Amino acid sequence: ILNVEQSPQSLHVQEGDSTNFTCSFPSSNFYALHWYRWETAKSPEALFVMTLNGDEKKKGRISATLNTKEGYSYLYIKGSQPEDSATYLCAFTSNSGYALNFGKGTSLLVTP
Amino acid sequence: SAVISQKPSRDICQRGTSLTIQCQVDSQVTMMFWYRQQPGQSLTLIATANQGSEATYESGFVIDKFPISRPNLTFSTLTVSNMSPEDSSIYLCSVEGRGRTDTQYFGPGTRLTVL
Repeated sequence: ILNVEQSPQSLHVQEGDSTNFTCSFPSSNFYALHWYRWETAKSPEALFVMTLNGDEKKKGRISATLNTKEGYSYLYIKGSQPEDSATYLCAFTSNSGYALNFGKGTSLLVTP
Repeated sequence: SAVISQKPSRDICQRGTSLTIQCQVDSQVTMMFWYRQQPGQSLTLIATANQGSEATYESGFVIDKFPISRPNLTFSTLTVSNMSPEDSSIYLCSVEGRGRTDTQYFGPGTRLTVL
């Protein structure tokens, strides 16, 4: 079992606030780190896949960083909007296979 | 990216019965995966379904409880057998991307409640 921890478990912010979440994962046998955004009754939507230490990726107001040596990734949302409300999942794949090992997610609620 | 559909989207079942969940992909893929998320828990891989061979199950999951079919490169089914309330979960199928450094693409899930 590969433990992936996400914090905080939930977050409630006002529209316009910037926010960030943390994902920690085992640093040994690392292959890739994935971030997904999951709204109820919809498919999890892939945000980023990162493989290299120091990777930084950006998609609109959302960005992510990766530190494979210490085993953590941060997801940032700048100027949160109500449509950003969702559960944000991170998942780790190891050298041993395709399986995505997920954290429990961070549930974000953005109110106007 | 792949477009994936699942049927049913949700169901309420009685304990002791079985439910078969279907997963359809709009393109041919080699690897399909079945995950579940129990309430308050992480998404967890149940098994990998490859066309032409038996599914590979993760630790804690067995074929008798979760039989899987993979008749072709665009379709798979997962059966949840002899259900109990502990099987109440969201079940999702996913497919590989273009390689291991690509993302996996997920279906919208099947929300199962067992009474």
